[in-house]
Amino acid sequence: EIVLTQSPGTLSLSPGETATLSCRATQTVGNNYLAWHQQKPGQAPRLVIYTTSHRASGIPDRFSGSGSGTDFTLTISRLEPEDFAVYYCQQHAYAPLTFGGGTRVEMK
Amino acid sequence: QVQLVQSGGGVVQPGGSLRLSCAASGFRFSDRVMQWVRQAPGKGLEWVALIQRDGSDQYYADSVQGRFTISRDLSKNTLYLAMNGLRPEDTAVYYCARGAGWVVDFWGQGTLVTVSS
Repeated sequence: EIVLTQSPGTLSLSPGETATLSCRATQTVGNNYLAWHQQKPGQAPRLVIYTTSHRASGIPDRFSGSGSGTDFTLTISRLEPEDFAVYYCQQHAYAPLTFGGGTRVEMK
Repeated sequence: QVQLVQSGGGVVQPGGSLRLSCAASGFRFSDRVMQWVRQAPGKGLEWVALIQRDGSDQYYADSVQGRFTISRDLSKNTLYLAMNGLRPEDTAVYYCARGAGWVVDFWGQGTLVTVSS
């Protein structure tokens, strides 16, 4: 099973700043099948990025993903108020599929 | 528009059983892998199970293997999760989820399952 570790646990930032979220895997994620999901309080998650760097439908271009192998990054440029949420990485390469523990992006 | 309408959650005693349903619409159900993901209160996301497009193969998290069964009825465009031998640690919001390949690209609204005496 691939274990995903996200860091930091919490990011405190102001609107307009850049958020950099990390996701590290215990083994290589095949085909870089690494996704990011956003979850706001009381809501279901929403897909943001899949296969490391592909934005999901309707996701603004201030969201970008990068990385390969075992190290992946989600970058949110020019934070908007609606971007403050919890972000989870997920590997979608091998069963059992696994999620990271999440990074909370909170408003400073 | 895409909809995943979930039902079947509730309170059940330890050792009991429950079946969750997820009615899909707005897309060709038979073209998509489907999954269940859960979230314990105040915790992160935990993948539970996946079923291939034609129902031929299923995959499970170790934590539910042998107790939960994922299935789908292509004639009813409905996904199911049969849960047996429920434990207090199974208490969670359960999300039905549509796959694009194996990545979840659309989530249901979630249904709460509480295992308690």
